[in-house]
Amino acid sequence: DIQMTQSPSSLSASVGDRVTITCQASQDISGYLNWYQQKPGKAPKLLIYDVSNLETGVPSRFSGSGSGTDFTFTISSLQPEDIATYYCQQYDTLPYIFGQGTKLEIK
Amino acid sequence: QVQLVQSGAEVRKPGASVKVSCKASGYTFTGYYMHWVRQAPGQGLEWMGRISPNTGGTNFAQKFQGRVTMTRDTSISTAYMELSRLRSDDTAVYYCATGTTTVSDYWGQGTLVTVSS
Repeated sequence: DIQMTQSPSSLSASVGDRVTITCQASQDISGYLNWYQQKPGKAPKLLIYDVSNLETGVPSRFSGSGSGTDFTFTISSLQPEDIATYYCQQYDTLPYIFGQGTKLEIK
Repeated sequence: QVQLVQSGAEVRKPGASVKVSCKASGYTFTGYYMHWVRQAPGQGLEWMGRISPNTGGTNFAQKFQGRVTMTRDTSISTAYMELSRLRSDDTAVYYCATGTTTVSDYWGQGTLVTVSS
């Protein structure tokens, strides 16, 4: 199975900060990487698909980049409503493994 | 609009089975894989497997092989996930998810399955 190493596992930042989360795959996943946001008690929500494509309706402060095995998710200016846990997921090869998640908190 | 509506919470004893349903609407049910993902309390997301509603073909994570069955009824646009020989560590919220743009654009609301004696 492809392993997805997501870091950090938790992050505390201030409103307006730039926030970056990384996800490293154990092998090349050809750009088949998504990012999800999950708020407590809710289903995950797709934010970014295929590394860098913003899902319809998602604010432009969210972005993704990377290739091969190394990927980055960025919030350009953290807002209070961004408090959530974020997950990456590869869907290049079955099983479609998720990263361990990054819990984002407001400082 | 795409909607996935799951069945309600379940409580089972260890060793029993549970079957969760996911009714789809707003898109062509047979056109896109349905995935099942679970989340134990306080834990991350775990991909369990997928079913092709068109063919009925399935793929499962190794961890669930032999214990999970995924089926579908195309006449009512509903997918099912059945997990057998339940253990306490199967206590989790189970989600169905599908995608028209990517693997999981849309998610059900989740079904809590509690395994307790």
